[in-house]
This record gives sequence, structure tokens and C-alpha cells, in this order.
Amino acid sequence: QVQLQESGPGLVKPSQTLSLTCTVSGVSIGSGSYYWSWIRQPAGKGLEWIGQIYTTGTTNYNPSLRSRVTISVETSKNQFSLKLDSVTASDTAIYYCAKHGIETDYFEFWGQGTLVTVSS
Amino acid sequence: EIVLTQSPGTLSLSPGERATLSCRASQSVSSGYLAWYRQKPGQPPRLLIYGATITATGIPDRFSGSGSGTDFTLTISRLEPEDFAVYYCHQYGTSPFTFGPGTKVDIK
Repeated sequence: QVQLQESGPGLVKPSQTLSLTCTVSGVSIGSGSYYWSWIRQPAGKGLEWIGQIYTTGTTNYNPSLRSRVTISVETSKNQFSLKLDSVTASDTAIYYCAKHGIETDYFEFWGQGTLVTVSS
Repeated sequence: EIVLTQSPGTLSLSPGERATLSCRASQSVSSGYLAWYRQKPGQPPRLLIYGATITATGIPDRFSGSGSGTDFTLTISRLEPEDFAVYYCHQYGTSPFTFGPGTKVDIK
């Protein structure tokens, strides 16, 4: 049974870096054939795809966030991570990690999400 | 970027009724790469349909998807209590992947 769990600080100060980790169980990130993504959702609003990473480390980012985003993978820990630089209040949201379907880009499994608030 | 528009914004129905939700894309969705998700309050979205018409594993057969090109539909044949939620369409044929703004199905 595939499970994903986000972790990281729930409060980040403006201009600092938001850092989150997604721990995966039930499937090996290193097994290949899947992309892994971060998606966010401001309270009461819609969903925004942030970016994705493949086992090999290949990444693809949303152009709206590309200049501030880094997604990395650590296969030995079965984790992947998100860093978002220079955050502002508009980055306050629930952040989800997700597993794509095999060799495709719909989101088959999602973590429960973690709320990150940007405030001084 | 492909912009997705969903209608109606809110759909008020009773349990047992049929729900028809629409998703329209600003340009053709490559290879029918269109998915639907249901999101209940306080939960992550759950995949219902992918490839425009394929029901995801474990999803009841009251959910069905149709459409191609720029116009897609999610149909729920008979609403169950757990179906009163927000539904999002998602195109994954062209990066950046995008979502519609959602349709809320609430109890009439």
C-alpha cells in the first residue's frame, strides 16, 4: 500500500526558504517508472502544481515558480524534498506530495498535506 | 499554459440524483490526458478518472468520464453521501500541468 507523508516546519518567515520532505512507503522511489510531484493549495482555493522529479534526478518545474524552486530526491531514504526560496505571504498553503501513475503524469496517490504559513 | 474552466461552480443536488460536471480547456488536451479528482473537506484530492475515460482502481462504477479535445465531462450516476465534495479536473498532457478551479457538489 503506497503512502506518502509530508514533513517540515509549519511556520516560515517572509524572505526565508520553505523546506519540506516527503517520505514514501509501499514503493521504492529508486525502482523507476514514476515521477514524484509537489502541489499546493491555498486555504479554500484551487490546486497549483509546483514541480516534479524522476528517480534519476531529472526535474520539471512550473514556470511561475521555477526561479525559486528546487526539488531533489534521496533514494536511499525513499524521500524527495521541496525548497522554495524567498517566500512571501502568498506562499501560505497546504503543500501536498504526490506519486504519478506509471510512466504518466496524473497523480495516483497523495500525501495528507501539510500547512505552511508564511508570517513574521 | 492550458487554462481549464469548470462549470457549474456549484451544483446543488439530492442523494440519488445524477450529477454532470463540465471541464473545458483553452486548447486541445494532448492524447486525452485529462483526470478528475474528488476532494472532501480536510482531505487530499483522490483520483477518480484518468485518460478522460478510465476509472481509477477502487473507484465505484457510478463515476464515469467522457470527452476529448477541449470538452470533458464527469458523470456521477447516483449521488451517495460521500460524493458531496469538490471536484477538480486536471490536464497532464502539456507542462505546466494545470487544474480547473473546481465544482462544488452540495446537498440541495
